[in-house]
Amino acid sequence: GENVEQHPSTLSVQEGDSAVIKCTYSDSASNYFPWYKQELGKGPQLIIDIRSNVGEKKDQRIAVTLNKTAKHFSLHITETQPEDSAVYFCAASRRGAQKLVFGQGTRLTINP
Amino acid sequence: DGGITQSPKYLFRKEGQNVTLSCEQNLNHDAMYWYRQDPGQGLRLIYYSQIVNDFQKGDIAEGYSVSREKKESFPLTVTSAQKNPTAFYLCASSIRQVNGLYNEQFFGPGTRLTVL
Repeated sequence: GENVEQHPSTLSVQEGDSAVIKCTYSDSASNYFPWYKQELGKGPQLIIDIRSNVGEKKDQRIAVTLNKTAKHFSLHITETQPEDSAVYFCAASRRGAQKLVFGQGTRLTINP
Repeated sequence: DGGITQSPKYLFRKEGQNVTLSCEQNLNHDAMYWYRQDPGQGLRLIYYSQIVNDFQKGDIAEGYSVSREKKESFPLTVTSAQKNPTAFYLCASSIRQVNGLYNEQFFGPGTRLTVL
């Protein structure tokens, strides 16, 4: 079955700098890759997702890139702000699988 | 106000007791999911349901049971057979896949279960 590895497990950056979180997946048939943000004591919220027919997607300060050949995808946050501090999860799903497989999560801390 | 509600937010139970966690959604979603989250780990799928009166085991179904009698409700029972039930439990829902294309899952606020 699908396996998703996420790195790093913790990341600390200065406010205003960029943050990058990377995930690799094992199933070459995976075609949907969402990123979720989870604040303390709350459920995860989708912040951006990408399907396998595109290589990059942007939404304001957030972007996701996908390399299907290497089977990895990354989350990029630019001009980081204190409210970006949270745990971020990547996930993957293949067509017809009816479920997501999540990475282990990255705790991002933005230092003022 | 549309969304997913989980109750209670905190739940304490004695070892050996069964406990049922509630999950309700008014998003008119067909699919619903239960995940378990432990510190430092990702979300692990317990059970999921694509349609009323049907559900499938996820990756860690042992010691858990579910029912899907209504579209808007998907309760999870943590039984005494679950070896280590203390965890944060998350419920999610999504619209059903069309042509195999996956859709966003919306999560509830979670229930933190502590077994004493």
